[in-house]
Amino acid sequence: EAGVAQSPRYKIIEKRQSVAFWCNPISGHATLYWYQQILGQGPKLLIQFQNNGVVDDSQLPKDRFSAERLKGVDSTLKIQPAKLEDSAVYLCASSRGQGAHEQYFGPGTRLTVT
Amino acid sequence: AQSVTQLGSHVSVSEGALVLLRCNYSSSVPPYLFWYVQYPNQGLQLLLKYTSAATLVKGINGFEAEFKKSETSFHLTKPSAHMSDAAEYFCAVSGYLSGSARQLTFGSGTQLTVLP
Repeated sequence: EAGVAQSPRYKIIEKRQSVAFWCNPISGHATLYWYQQILGQGPKLLIQFQNNGVVDDSQLPKDRFSAERLKGVDSTLKIQPAKLEDSAVYLCASSRGQGAHEQYFGPGTRLTVT
Repeated sequence: AQSVTQLGSHVSVSEGALVLLRCNYSSSVPPYLFWYVQYPNQGLQLLLKYTSAATLVKGINGFEAEFKKSETSFHLTKPSAHMSDAAEYFCAVSGYLSGSARQLTFGSGTQLTVLP
């Protein structure tokens, strides 16, 4: 079975620019997550979807970050405008359900904001 | 609320030696606990998980972990380190950050170095 796909793998932008990341989860996985991993830290959950609905976005900086999963399959995370502190790896993960179900992670997108 | 503390951001062992990576957690509900491994420029891969069945959990690549409720610990061990085990390891607890859905909270990670 194909894993979680993410693109692009690397992105360099200047501050105040916008950027978008794309994620395609494992087929049949209802739950999709976006995480932010700052260098030297563990991943931090930004937003969780169940099918095409948002389960939790309490840690998403909504003044600049947005995410959508319109058809309950692939998802896009956007940052507009970017700040220097947004430099991080953005990981997408998916799972069959919530709770004890294993999350499968994509390779991530490494964002550098200059 | 939930949190994870990983003691030691860097651990070095010799090839063939015991690997012990420490993880302590706090959770307001019975926890599910996970260990993930991350190789450079890759996503996280699940090593093993505890979901309230057997307290000694065996995972991939010879790793295992023991859930100790009295110590709120879930330490990761491997009897004999291999060079290919060099990576970053994350402990995570699944609990309720907000709302009614369980979510993962990760520790800050332990970088394992294996010396020849």
